[in-house]
Amino acid sequence: GQNIDQPTEMTATEGAIVQINCTYQTSGFNGLFWYQQHAGEAPTFLSYNVLDGLEEKGRFSSFLSRSKGYSYLLLKELQMKDSASYLCAGQNAGNMLTFGGGTRLMVKP
Amino acid sequence: DVKVTQSSRYLVKRTGEKVFLECVQDMDHENMFWYRQDPGLGLRLIYFSYDVKMKEKGDIPEGYSVSREKKERFSLILESASTNQTSMYLCASSPTSGRGGETQYFGPGTRLLVL
Repeated sequence: GQNIDQPTEMTATEGAIVQINCTYQTSGFNGLFWYQQHAGEAPTFLSYNVLDGLEEKGRFSSFLSRSKGYSYLLLKELQMKDSASYLCAGQNAGNMLTFGGGTRLMVKP
Repeated sequence: DVKVTQSSRYLVKRTGEKVFLECVQDMDHENMFWYRQDPGLGLRLIYFSYDVKMKEKGDIPEGYSVSREKKERFSLILESASTNQTSMYLCASSPTSGRGGETQYFGPGTRLLVL
């Protein structure tokens, strides 16, 4: 599997922008997923990147650099409901996912 | 709307008991997965199945077994539960497209406490 590293916790203010970083080992890498998981709930799909660059989806964007083994999730105009854990997951050629430990984001008023 | 359901949200069992966790998906997906989620460790793959009656070990299969008799159902079995198996168990499914990029759809999870 791949080693997926992301910060354990982050705190940001309502209305602000926050960037959650994720690094991974590039061997056997096929693509990268981001999931959102509210406390006590199932992870839900946010984004998938396979090519270098930025993918934008409303307030959420995800970036990938394959050569650097690096991705980030960018959340704009933060809302209180964005308080959740954000999971970075690398996909290998067999379509299996390896997850990072998750980043718990707390949005404060 | 896609749906993955798990038989229980919360479960309390005693050490040594046999435990069955059931997962059902209604999306006709070929692939099904069992993960456990622990604080700081993220989701770790226990077993997966890419077809009926097929199973493959994931990263942490010790102490677990699985059964997939029907396409829509994937069961996780703890033959003799131990306290270190106290965890959140998440089931997921995904289609096979050959392209990559197919997301996994997760069930709501079963929080298991082994006393």
